[in-house]
Amino acid sequence: QKEVEQDPGPLSVPEGAIVSLNCTYSNSAFQYFMWYRQYSRKGPELLMYTYSSGNKEDGRFTAQVDKSSKYISLFIRDSQPSDSATYLCALRRNSGNTPLVFGKGTRLSVIA
Amino acid sequence: DAMVIQNPRYQVTQFGKPVTLSCSQTLNHNVMYWYQQKSSQAPKLLFHYYDKDFNNEADTPDNFQSRRPNTSFCFLDIRSPGLGDAAMYLCATSGTPAHTDTQYFGPGTRLTVL
Repeated sequence: QKEVEQDPGPLSVPEGAIVSLNCTYSNSAFQYFMWYRQYSRKGPELLMYTYSSGNKEDGRFTAQVDKSSKYISLFIRDSQPSDSATYLCALRRNSGNTPLVFGKGTRLSVIA
Repeated sequence: DAMVIQNPRYQVTQFGKPVTLSCSQTLNHNVMYWYQQKSSQAPKLLFHYYDKDFNNEADTPDNFQSRRPNTSFCFLDIRSPGLGDAAMYLCATSGTPAHTDTQYFGPGTRLTVL
C-alpha cells in the first residue's frame, strides 16, 4: 500500500461548482498536511497548510483533515476556470527534518 | 520579485550524455531541494542541501549528483542519462528544513532523453 493515495482524475466540472479533492494515507505519523496547486508547465505552489484534525478556510478554499480516518480533503467553492490545474496533497511526519510525501495529484478542469 | 529560477526550461540530451540542470534563488533560503516528477506522478525527492550539508535520499540512483557552490545556486548533474530519466526536474527552497516551513518551487526543467 502506498503511503499517500490520490485519485489522479481528470475531474471536469462546470464553472461555479463545488469541487472536492481527496487524499488518503496509511501512516498515522503524518501530522502536517498541505495542498499544492500546479499549473501546466509550472512548479507547485502552496495553497493550504493545516496541522491537526479539523477545517481551515481561506477564501473559496477549505482544507479538511480527519486523522481518525486518515483522510484529507480540499474543497473549492464557486470554482473558476482559473482553478484549472493539478492539485497535489503533501504530508509530513512530526520529526524535524523529514521530507514531504506527495500524492500523485488530481487534474481539475473548470469549464466556463 | 524574489523567486526560484530554473534553467533551462527544456533540455534535450542523448542517451548516456551527461547533462547539468541549474537552479538559482533570490530568497536567501538555507535549504534547496531537487525533485523528479514523471508524468501523472508525485514529485519524488532526490536530495537536498541544508546550507552545505548534503542529504541524499536512500533510493536516489548514483547516476544523480548535486553541487551547491553557494547559497544562491544548486546544480543537478545526471552523469549518464537513460530513457527512464526523462522527467520534469523541480527545484525548491525553504528557509529551514523544519516541518512548518513552506517550500517554494521553481517552474521546473523538462528533460527529454533521445
